[in-house]
Amino acid sequence: TQLLEQSPQFLSIQEGENLTVYCNSSSVFSSLQWYRQEPGEGPVLLVTVVTGGEVKKLKRLTFQFGDARKDSSLHITAAQPGDTGLYLCAGVLDSSYKLIFGSGTRLLVRP
Amino acid sequence: GAGVSQSPSNKVTEKGKDVELRCDPISGHTALYWYRQSLGQGLEFLIYFQGNSAPDKSGLPSDRFSAERTGGSVSTLTIQRTQQEDSAVYLCASSLVRSGYGYTFGSGTRLTVV
Repeated sequence: TQLLEQSPQFLSIQEGENLTVYCNSSSVFSSLQWYRQEPGEGPVLLVTVVTGGEVKKLKRLTFQFGDARKDSSLHITAAQPGDTGLYLCAGVLDSSYKLIFGSGTRLLVRP
Repeated sequence: GAGVSQSPSNKVTEKGKDVELRCDPISGHTALYWYRQSLGQGLEFLIYFQGNSAPDKSGLPSDRFSAERTGGSVSTLTIQRTQQEDSAVYLCASSLVRSGYGYTFGSGTRLTVV
């Protein structure tokens, strides 16, 4: 059983559409991170959220940390082909240091 | 260096052989992690080093897996008597101290056991 459940697992959309990826858990995290990974590369950190209810924006990407620090979402506005990749959420449990990863959401943005 | 460096980038080995994977973390990063990623999946924690403390080996899948970190810098992950199920991408990451604020990953070593 995955500690962090990501949905959807796969998403194929047309350029210009909006999308949301979800990351859910029954556990409380002291921080949660989102990474993007391209083929043949390691994950690259997009954002870290640490406060319940926190919202961070990175250009067309909006990240939200749930009030109870158990879930997070990533919203992309007007998706572009360059957004294509594997999006991974990862969390650090309270009183821990290990980063636990979700299974990822594979996004394909068609031109 | 500027980033986390892993070598080799690709390794094909015969079943039963031993392999060594190397990771050079970012200079000054005291925390180093190894993860394993199966095709298109999320990352599975293997082992964590923090400074001179005893490593957390709780994620190692079997006693065929071991890792060292020499001088608080370079780390080597060794897999003995490789099996086909060991085929995966092995990723190394480093961070300042133990960090909930993001790791820097290397590009990984793709291991194929034939």
